[in-house]
Amino acid sequence: AQSVTQLGSHVSVSEGALVLLRCNYSSSVPPYLFWYVQYPNQGLQLLLKYTSAATLVKGINGFEAEFKKSETSFHLTKPSAHMSDAAEYFCAVHGSSNTGKLIFGQGTTLQVKP
Amino acid sequence: GAGVSQSPRYKVAKRGQDVALRCDPISGHVSLFWYQQALGQGPEFLTYFQNEAQLDKSGLPSDRFFAERPEGSVSTLKIQRTQQEDSAVYLCASRPRDRGRDGELFFGEGSRLTVL
Repeated sequence: AQSVTQLGSHVSVSEGALVLLRCNYSSSVPPYLFWYVQYPNQGLQLLLKYTSAATLVKGINGFEAEFKKSETSFHLTKPSAHMSDAAEYFCAVHGSSNTGKLIFGQGTTLQVKP
Repeated sequence: GAGVSQSPRYKVAKRGQDVALRCDPISGHVSLFWYQQALGQGPEFLTYFQNEAQLDKSGLPSDRFFAERPEGSVSTLKIQRTQQEDSAVYLCASRPRDRGRDGELFFGEGSRLTVL
């Protein structure tokens, strides 16, 4: 069965510092992986997705993620944090069924300090 | 509107009451999903529709939960005899036609249910 594990439920960085949010996956088939962001009282918004093309994926708001099969990882990074990046971030993997449902991790709360 | 619309945004119910949560997906989106998000947790899959057909309901936690999408557009998630453990945000998402495993889901803002 497919699953994702997000390491660290809370990450705190200073404004301008590197952001690194960790995600490891388990999948019985080549995975399709996603990062979503959730701002307070809002729905989930897609940041980026990996669908077996380039291993380095660029998303919105300056975020990117690298798919590493050898490490079963799909970590999310941003070179310089902005106050507006403070939110909840979710890693997700496509389920093995044909429905297209996503399996989400537990989430990581990103705090950005001035 | 252009996005997925959910109502009500907030619902407070007394234990034992029935509730109904509505989802209006993006026009033309064939696939519709319901997720449950408990406080501090990631979304958990509940059920999936393709048009009006409910193809996967493996995530529904009990027979008190029921979902329908009779005309292949608007969907309703119904919870009967609500319990405190049902308190959560219920998220609806839709996806366009002909999108397979790489297709992203478009989420609504959710309905926050609090059961007292």
